[in-house]
Amino acid sequence: GAVVSQHPSWVICKSGTSVKIECRSLDFQATTMFWYRQFPKQSLMLMATSNEGSKATYEQGVEKDKFLINHASLTLSTLTVTSAHPEDSSFYICSAINRGNTEAFFGQGTRLTVV
Amino acid sequence: AQSVTQLDSHVSVSEGTPVLLRCNYSSSYSPSLFWYVQHPNKGLQLLLKYTSAATLVKGINGFEAEFKKSETSFHLTKPSAHMSDAAEYFCVVRPTSGTYKYIFGTGTRLKVLA
Repeated sequence: GAVVSQHPSWVICKSGTSVKIECRSLDFQATTMFWYRQFPKQSLMLMATSNEGSKATYEQGVEKDKFLINHASLTLSTLTVTSAHPEDSSFYICSAINRGNTEAFFGQGTRLTVV
Repeated sequence: AQSVTQLDSHVSVSEGTPVLLRCNYSSSYSPSLFWYVQHPNKGLQLLLKYTSAATLVKGINGFEAEFKKSETSFHLTKPSAHMSDAAEYFCVVRPTSGTYKYIFGTGTRLKVLA
């Protein structure tokens, strides 16, 4: 199957700083990428859908100014958590699809801890 | 509205015994259904998928699932549990073709006892 890589796999940052998480499709062109958030012992909640070259579509209740998403190329989408606070600590996972796929491929996730 | 329900939040089995993880879905259209496994602090690994072909789907690591439209179910089974199967399992529905928005179940944590 296709490979999606996230970086970093874990990050610790100070409250008030910003953190950027990268999601790359390594062997295919991802026309669409998705960003999910997972709280401890809970399921994945879709945050936003990112299409290459256009603005991301955010799910209800997700602050677009806090979670900045950029999908500038067909192989890279980034999620920037701005002015992070401890309540932003979570596991963030991306997924990517290309045309003709019947499934999305998931990255390995990024554990963000805000202290 | 589309939804997916995993009936058990926790399942414990002894090593070597069968595994059954239950999943029911609700979808107005013919859905695609998936099972993913997540080991601690890891991403998601696809176990198997149903996309309107054969109703009995075989996946990796000896897992399989049967799509039953009349029961709106897609239960995951394995004949004999292994210690390495201990993980979180998610049933996922993609409601219609043309959209890749996945709806995740709440997950089932599988514990395998020695």
